[in-house]
Amino acid sequence: GESVGLHLPTLSVQEGDNSIINCAYSNSASDYFIWYKQESGKGPQFIIDIRSNMDKRQGQRVTVLLNKTVKHLSLQIAATQPGDSAVYFCAESRCMNSGYSTLTFGKGTMLLVSP
Amino acid sequence: SAVISQKPSRDICQRGTSLTIQCQVDSQVTMMFWYRQQPGQSLTLIATANQGSEATYESGFVIDKFPISRPNLTFSTLTVSNMSPEDSSIYLCSVDLQGAGGNEQFFGPGTRLTVL
Repeated sequence: GESVGLHLPTLSVQEGDNSIINCAYSNSASDYFIWYKQESGKGPQFIIDIRSNMDKRQGQRVTVLLNKTVKHLSLQIAATQPGDSAVYFCAESRCMNSGYSTLTFGKGTMLLVSP
Repeated sequence: SAVISQKPSRDICQRGTSLTIQCQVDSQVTMMFWYRQQPGQSLTLIATANQGSEATYESGFVIDKFPISRPNLTFSTLTVSNMSPEDSSIYLCSVDLQGAGGNEQFFGPGTRLTVL
């Protein structure tokens, strides 16, 4: 299928390596952040989230780190596999008066994993 | 989680025509969202659709160009009107569900639109 990552920064790693994808966010008032994975021809898939009162959260093979001082978010993927190849987006949540929230997405990073 | 489907999955349209994209969710949700993802770009929110009320549009998007319907809690449509090649994008709907850390949004597979 067509790639969504034609103009995106690319991180190339070998299978088994650890990957770190970085993201800078803009709104210091954001209190909820999410990482999404988007494979070619598919919609974004939720990976992991973190609230602003935390600086680290771990999932299965993934860890998200939040540095509010410099407004920086990172996604660490341990023992990267070819199936991890995709475009990764960070998103910051903005609360609406209705009580729900909307997302502002970062630019995205394409991760390419070589066997 | 939620299972979200979109129709059509892709289309090629002529300049000046309109296309209506459907989004169906397998559970009742209050808020649905429509995004645009231009080639090689990130996602940009077009509008928020709350059942029973007018959609709320983000800066740069207007109802005349992107009319939205939300007739019930499981369905929404987005129309791309009077299309031009600049409207060639992937259009995605999403729904807002309460997750462990906050509100999680789940996305449909997207509709890939090419305007000639």
